[in-house]
Amino acid sequence: GENVEQHPSTLSVQEGDSAVIKCTYSDSASNYFPWYKQELGKGPQLIIDIRSNVGEKKDQRIAVTLNKTAKHFSLHITETQPEDSAVYFCAASSHFRNEKLTFGTGTRLTIIP
Amino acid sequence: GAGVSQTPSNKVTEKGKYVELRCDPISGHTALYWYRQSLGQGPEFLIYFQGTGAADDSGLPNDRFFAVRPEGSVSTLKIQRTERGDSAVYLCASSPRGGGEQYFGPGTRLTVT
Repeated sequence: GENVEQHPSTLSVQEGDSAVIKCTYSDSASNYFPWYKQELGKGPQLIIDIRSNVGEKKDQRIAVTLNKTAKHFSLHITETQPEDSAVYFCAASSHFRNEKLTFGTGTRLTIIP
Repeated sequence: GAGVSQTPSNKVTEKGKYVELRCDPISGHTALYWYRQSLGQGPEFLIYFQGTGAADDSGLPNDRFFAVRPEGSVSTLKIQRTERGDSAVYLCASSPRGGGEQYFGPGTRLTVT
């Protein structure tokens, strides 16, 4: 089955600087890669996603890049703000096999004011 | 519009008891997923419904776990003879179609004493 690894597990960034979180996946059949933000006591919130026919996608301060050959994808947050502090999860799924998301282990992002 | 709702938000039960956890998906979403999240980990897939039928139940850990979605909307996750190891946050997600974006509810925190 699919295995998703995520790094780093914790990340502290000065407010206004950029943050990058990286994930690798193992199943070459995976073709959908969402990113979720989870705040304490809440469910994961979808913030951006990318499909395997696209190399990069951007939404305001958030961008995701995908390298299918290397089987890795990354989340980039620019101009970080205190409200960006949360745990971020990457995930992968294959529409050709089943619909389940396989999640990484999470990155706790702390924005230092 | 209304998001995914889950009830109860918290459930404390004694070892050996039976529990039911309810999920109300976003109106019109045909796909529904259950995940389980242990402390400090990413969500782990349990079961996926497309309409009324379970399309993939490969993540259910054993036969004490069962889920239904009789009318293709609300779903109930049922756990028999609960064990302390069942303690976790149970998350429900829905999607407008299989293979689409998954939107999560706030979760039910289950504690087995």
